[in-house]
Amino acid sequence: DQQVKQNSPSLSVQEGRISILNCDYTNSMFDYFLWYKKYPAEGPTFLISISSIKDKNEDGRFTVFLNKSAKHLSLHIVPSQPGDSAVYFCAAKMNRDDKIIFGKGTRLHILP
Amino acid sequence: AAGVIQSPRHLIKEKRETATLKCYPIPRHDTVYWYQQGPGQDPQFLISFYEKMQSDKGSIPDRFSAQQFSDYHSELNMSSLELGDSALYFCASSLVGASYEQYFGPGTRLTVT
Repeated sequence: DQQVKQNSPSLSVQEGRISILNCDYTNSMFDYFLWYKKYPAEGPTFLISISSIKDKNEDGRFTVFLNKSAKHLSLHIVPSQPGDSAVYFCAAKMNRDDKIIFGKGTRLHILP
Repeated sequence: AAGVIQSPRHLIKEKRETATLKCYPIPRHDTVYWYQQGPGQDPQFLISFYEKMQSDKGSIPDRFSAQQFSDYHSELNMSSLELGDSALYFCASSLVGASYEQYFGPGTRLTVT
C-alpha cells in the first residue's frame, strides 16, 4: 500500500517557467513532508521540508504547499532552470519513526 | 561541504556470499539510516542507529545486520546473498532529533550474480 503517491511519472517544463510537482498521501498521521531531488548515480538530495502544522514553506526558488484537508502537497520551482532536470521524490515521516516513506518519484525535464 | 561517504560505490557478489557496506556520516551527525532501492523502486527504510544503538527498524531481512561504531560510522552486513538483494543501498545521516532532515550518501550499487 503506497502511502505517498506521485501520480505523474514525468513532467516537461520550459526553462524559465514554473514547475509544479504534485504529491498525495494517505496517512493523516504524518508530521513532516519532504522533497528530495535525485540525479543519476547520486543519492537523493534534500531540498525542502514542511511541518504538518504549516501550509507553506519557501526557500529560494522552491516553495512547498501543503493542503492537509486534501492530503496533498506540491513543490513549485520558479523559475525552472536546466539544472533542475532530475527525479523528484516526495516523502513523508512521522515524529515517532526514523523512516522516511518515499513516493515513486517524478522525472522533471526542463526544456531549453 | 562534507557529505555522507559510502564505500564501496560498486560491489559484485555471487549468490550465498557475504557483503559489507560502509557509511561515514556528515561530521557532527550522530544518527545514521540505511535504505534499499530496488530497480525502478523508491528507497525503502532498513534500519537506523543513534549512539551505537538501534533506533528504528524497517523491512530489513534477518540475513542482514548493521551496527554503528563509536566514531558514528556504520556498517551493513549482508549474508547468504540472494539475486533479489541486487539494489542501491543508501546511507543517510542527521543530527539526533532532526530525522526529518536526512542527508543521503551516493549509494552502493550491489549486484548479486
